[in-house]
Amino acid sequence: DQQVKQNSPSLSVQEGRISILNCDYTNSMFDYFLWYKKYPAEGPTFLISISSIKDKNEDGRFTVFLNKSAKHLSLHIVPSQPGDSAVYFCAAQRRDNTGKLIFGQGTTLQVKP
Amino acid sequence: NAGVTQTPKFRVLKTGQSMTLLCAQDMNHEYMYWYRQDPGMGLRLIHYSVGEGTTAKGEVPDGYNVSRLKKQNFLLGLESAAPSQTSVYFCASSLHSGKSYNEQFFGPGTRLTVL
Repeated sequence: DQQVKQNSPSLSVQEGRISILNCDYTNSMFDYFLWYKKYPAEGPTFLISISSIKDKNEDGRFTVFLNKSAKHLSLHIVPSQPGDSAVYFCAAQRRDNTGKLIFGQGTTLQVKP
Repeated sequence: NAGVTQTPKFRVLKTGQSMTLLCAQDMNHEYMYWYRQDPGMGLRLIHYSVGEGTTAKGEVPDGYNVSRLKKQNFLLGLESAAPSQTSVYFCASSLHSGKSYNEQFFGPGTRLTVL
């Protein structure tokens, strides 16, 4: 039973345009959501997070939106750059003493020059 | 600071062989995690540790054992490797206060093939 789902395996956008990556979850008890970025042959690196009590968090070109009623979050990248080409994972976390993250399947973003 | 390092980077095993993957972190983190990444499956938690001397099962623990004898090291063992354990393995560590989001820092991964 996949609690965190990224239903789009891949996305291709033109440089300068907006990239929108989507993520759905099933457990309403999650307290935080995180986005990680992964380049080939490297480990994932943290990108941005959002608390379940917020509906938006922005950091430079990256903005994450949370719609709790729809159990849906999205990552917007504006403007997209070729260096943004990577696999993006969303992850969900409950506020407990384990810090466990539950990851989605990932979406491969290709930004074309 | 080296961050999170993993040894080895690549390994090929035959079915039934055993091996140990080593994860080391120099950030004085309490929490450490082992994941496997398979195509279309994302990252799945194998085992984790909330401090030196402690370990706990994650989502997919069968066929693996772990040990956390020292705070900076987290070992993942395969006692009898199976082809289904062919995967890329990632180790991660974090401070985790329990009061906010848990930013985990990942190592570069170990690509394991079991023939």
